[in-house]
Amino acid sequence: QSVLTQPPSVSAAPGQKVTISCSGSSSNIGNNYVSWYQQLPGTAPKLLIYDNNKRPSGIPDRFSGSKSGTSATLGITGLQTGDEADYYCGTWDSSLSAFYVFGTGTKVTVL
Amino acid sequence: EVQLVESGGGLVQPGGSLRLSCAASGFTFSSYDMHWVRQATGKGLEWVSAIGTAGDTYYPGSVKGRFTISRENAKNSLYLQMNSLRAGDTAVYYCARGYGEDLGAFDIWGQGTMVTVSS
Repeated sequence: QSVLTQPPSVSAAPGQKVTISCSGSSSNIGNNYVSWYQQLPGTAPKLLIYDNNKRPSGIPDRFSGSKSGTSATLGITGLQTGDEADYYCGTWDSSLSAFYVFGTGTKVTVL
Repeated sequence: EVQLVESGGGLVQPGGSLRLSCAASGFTFSSYDMHWVRQATGKGLEWVSAIGTAGDTYYPGSVKGRFTISRENAKNSLYLQMNSLRAGDTAVYYCARGYGEDLGAFDIWGQGTMVTVSS
């Protein structure tokens, strides 16, 4: 069971904006960088955001990340049908049970 | 082209063993931490293990003592030895490269290999 909580689903019309929250604690988000991943159906995850707010080469600036305290947020603007996917946050965790944790995942639906 | 390719998945009986491999190309494999991440059908991502450039290893409680991660830099290869397999280990297993300021992001992923534990 993941220690990072995300909303199960979010939706919006094409061109609109969505935000996805990732809630953790001081043992994970509060003291570590957060990354975000997009997983299209039937494919491997793809890195969207690393070090809280940095985008790898090739990731459009429609995707943005932020962190405050023990929570992080992924924003997607100018929503496109191709953005329909599952999104996960991830970070290191200093608890005894796991060194790295992913969020529960959020399904983005483009209406 | 930077690439990771997993192999070795398949059907195994409960209590059995399996060894997964991950072949790296297009980058200096020995310079990167490497990870295994799994995903059961219809479920979320679960981190399985990590190995540092110095060979240090890390596991979550769910697989510690049963799984062993290793690397062979001369062959640009990453491995995951899985013993005492359980039905709950059934998943697609991905290898991934560590990245970022604290190496806590995974910037390159393989296509995954399916492991099914069933009698």
